[in-house]
Amino acid sequence: AQTVTQSQPEMSVQEAETVTLSCTYDTSESDYYLFWYKQPPSRQMILVIRQEAYKQQNATENRFSVNFQKAAKSFSLKISDSQLGDAAMYFCAYRSATDSWGKLQFGAGTQVVVTP
Amino acid sequence: DAGITQSPRHKVTETGTPVTLRCHQTENHRYMYWYRQDPGHGLRLIHYSYGVKDTDKGEVSDGYSVSRSKTEDFLLTLESATSSQTSVYFCAISESIAGRNEQFFGPGTRLTVL
Repeated sequence: AQTVTQSQPEMSVQEAETVTLSCTYDTSESDYYLFWYKQPPSRQMILVIRQEAYKQQNATENRFSVNFQKAAKSFSLKISDSQLGDAAMYFCAYRSATDSWGKLQFGAGTQVVVTP
Repeated sequence: DAGITQSPRHKVTETGTPVTLRCHQTENHRYMYWYRQDPGHGLRLIHYSYGVKDTDKGEVSDGYSVSRSKTEDFLLTLESATSSQTSVYFCAISESIAGRNEQFFGPGTRLTVL
């Protein structure tokens, strides 16, 4: 079974600065997908960014970008120019490409605190 | 928001009582999931469904059952609630967007078992 590890329970960042959240995963598969979800205080789960394992290019969505290191099984999220609205819990998730059910395996989450 | 609603949004119940949580979607998605969220664990899969009467167990299915008699409704039942089932429960659907399957989540139900 795959496991997803987020080793940082909480990260603090000042407005306009950059913060990087780490995620590592354990898998024997070569084809899979990785995701970052954001959960603000409203509790809603919001998909931030996704990465296909077969793509070498790192995904980017506006101020959010990832550093995908397949050999190291590492998938970090960088939030640039942090804003107060970025304060949330962030979850890393893994999905096997061969799982027709599309089940997600989540990490424990990292709480991001943004200070003015 | 993928048209997902969950009811109730909050519930407080007592140990030993049965509880049913409802997930309703309006866009005819075939794949539906139930997760629970607990501090230190992230979200963990309880049960999932591919369609009417087609369900299977996830990682933490003990103490839970599900039913799907209509495409739009996916019910999660705690036959006899225990304090360890105090959690936030999320329903999700899988939707194909531009050839990619993405999961979208409902607003969650906070369940407290006293």
